[in-house]
Amino acid sequence: GQQLNQSPQSMFIQEGEDVSMNCTSSSIFNTWLWYKQEPGEGPVLLIALYKAGELTSNGRLTAQFGITRKDSFLNISASIPSDVGIYFCAGGIMKTSYDKVIFGPGTSLSVIP
Amino acid sequence: GAVVSQHPSRVICKSGTSVKIECRSLDFQATTMFWYRQFPKQSLMLMATSNEGSKATYEQGVEKDKFLINHASLTLSTLTVTSAHPEDSSFYICSARQNNSPLHFGNGTRLTVT
Repeated sequence: GQQLNQSPQSMFIQEGEDVSMNCTSSSIFNTWLWYKQEPGEGPVLLIALYKAGELTSNGRLTAQFGITRKDSFLNISASIPSDVGIYFCAGGIMKTSYDKVIFGPGTSLSVIP
Repeated sequence: GAVVSQHPSRVICKSGTSVKIECRSLDFQATTMFWYRQFPKQSLMLMATSNEGSKATYEQGVEKDKFLINHASLTLSTLTVTSAHPEDSSFYICSARQNNSPLHFGNGTRLTVT
């Protein structure tokens, strides 16, 4: 079945550094979603992408829908301690409300003050 | 906007009993709700997809008679774990979508079966 690869698996960075992570698929998608999950909570939507080449920002976060439609990138600029968490990408072909997305394995981010 | 409420946040039950988890969309009508399970340090695994007023569609390997899903209205879906066993202990998360909007998640339910 479809699988998503997400890298890196984990990151340890200094506060203030920029972060970059990516997600690749074996299939073409028309939707990429990025979520952040903190311990004991549900994932929170960060950015949604619907078009190849689309570049969208949400504060210090920027995500891009890859041109090949098989990948997506998430960048975090000037990281701060509250950026700590697990970042999941999710993608799929979404044409109707019941079309499902699949999730990547996640990137665990640790920020050292 | 797009708030999804899940209850309870944490439940401990004895082996053999049943547990019901509720998922509500608070400020929108959810045409579709999805139920996920997440084991420690792992990603979210889709269990089933439900549309209001129709039977849920279960993913391969998920027992529909064990994980009963009811989507009685456009704002409420329930997941009942029947005859729970310790291996059912997990973090269960619902998500809801209105038409083709992105998925919005509840805060999850930590189920511990003793």
